[in-house]
Amino acid sequence: KNEVEQSPQNLTAQEGEFITINCSYSVGISALHWLQQHPGGGIVSLFMLSSGKKKHGRLIATINIQEKHSSLHITASHPRDSAVYICAAQGSGDKLTFGTGTRLAVRP
Amino acid sequence: GAVVSQHPSWVICKSGTSVKIECRSLDFQATTMFWYRQFPKQSLMLMATSNEGSKATYEQGVEKDKFLINHASLTLSTLTVTSAHPEDSSFYICSARISNQPQHFGDGTRLSIL
Repeated sequence: KNEVEQSPQNLTAQEGEFITINCSYSVGISALHWLQQHPGGGIVSLFMLSSGKKKHGRLIATINIQEKHSSLHITASHPRDSAVYICAAQGSGDKLTFGTGTRLAVRP
Repeated sequence: GAVVSQHPSWVICKSGTSVKIECRSLDFQATTMFWYRQFPKQSLMLMATSNEGSKATYEQGVEKDKFLINHASLTLSTLTVTSAHPEDSSFYICSARISNQPQHFGDGTRLSIL
């Protein structure tokens, strides 16, 4: 069993839909990261959070420390949101443990 | 925002060649740089953690003599894949950070060994 699990693995949505990607982790963490990987491979850090909720534009990330669960929400999805979204758990040091990613395709 | 530049973005070379990949933090001084490898449809896997001026810390199963890491300054780390073979073909990506801040990732290097 992976230490960080994401669901779903693949997601297809229609433009404008509200999207939720889930992440569960089994290790103790100092922070939880959400990353976006584009088809070319480049990675952008979306959020780093250790409690509560963060919002940036149409993206919202939440974390429940007790349940060891985090969600990434995308409101009013757009085709340019199509990418792989990766959850990563940061332990007490610098090391990140990555989920396998959720491949999102938003159709116009 | 913080920018990490990785070069080259794509390399094709013959088996037995050594390949050097550069990772630069362009607008900040990175206390730590990380090197990852990603095989198709798989997660990123940490290869090594590098602090300026000290030896890199390699993850279990990563051969330090094959994947040479040099972190000569606070803005530059290099990964050299020595005597590369087809099984080394992968996507290599670096990241850099200032302590307690999120990692900033490069755009990656796609390495193909023929």
